[in-house]
Amino acid sequence: GAVVSQHPSRVICKSGTSVKIECRSLDFQATTMFWYRQFPKQSLMLMATSNEGSKATYEQGVEKDKFLINHASLTLSTLTVTSAHPEDSSFYICSARQVGALAGGYEQYFGPGTRLTVT
Amino acid sequence: AQSVTQPDIHITVSEGASLELRCNYSYGATPYLFWYVQSPGQGLQLLLKYFSGDTLVQGIKGFEAEFKRSQSSFNLRKPSVHWSDAAEYFCAGTFNAGNNRKLIWGLGTSLAVNP
Repeated sequence: GAVVSQHPSRVICKSGTSVKIECRSLDFQATTMFWYRQFPKQSLMLMATSNEGSKATYEQGVEKDKFLINHASLTLSTLTVTSAHPEDSSFYICSARQVGALAGGYEQYFGPGTRLTVT
Repeated sequence: AQSVTQPDIHITVSEGASLELRCNYSYGATPYLFWYVQSPGQGLQLLLKYFSGDTLVQGIKGFEAEFKRSQSSFNLRKPSVHWSDAAEYFCAGTFNAGNNRKLIWGLGTSLAVNP
């Protein structure tokens, strides 16, 4: 149980175009989803937290107009990288937390990640 | 400020040897603590977690971790390492109250296993 998928797993796009990444919780409902960015050989950097039906909360330094996050349902969140540039190339990872998680059940379930390359 | 520290960036052990990966946290109260493993080309997998209760926590793949409040540590251990354990290991903790508990991540420890 608690499987999270991401699509696509890899994407190459041209500079100036937009790319959408989907994150789905396959066998549970997720009130909260998180988007991370990971640079090579580094830890995860939280970009934003999204709650179903409300606006995402972005971390300091993350451009909300560049990284558009939509969490329209309890099983789907999307991250759109708008007007992508080569410096946006990275590994993007989403995670989800289950609805009604018990006080101690705040673990996050992670998707496999999306490798974005902007040329 | 809350933080999670993994002092060892890279560790190499021989197959069959024991393993201990260190994790320290900085927080005034007891956080929720996690260990995740990230294998090449794969997503992050939860190895184990600590919320309260028994300070020795058993996880998957033969891993265990011990929470020591006096040392603000949550070290990961395995008695006998297998070649397939080579991966990146992340310690993380949640410290904030409320529904949007964010994970604070350590920088990770890269484990190499010699045959």
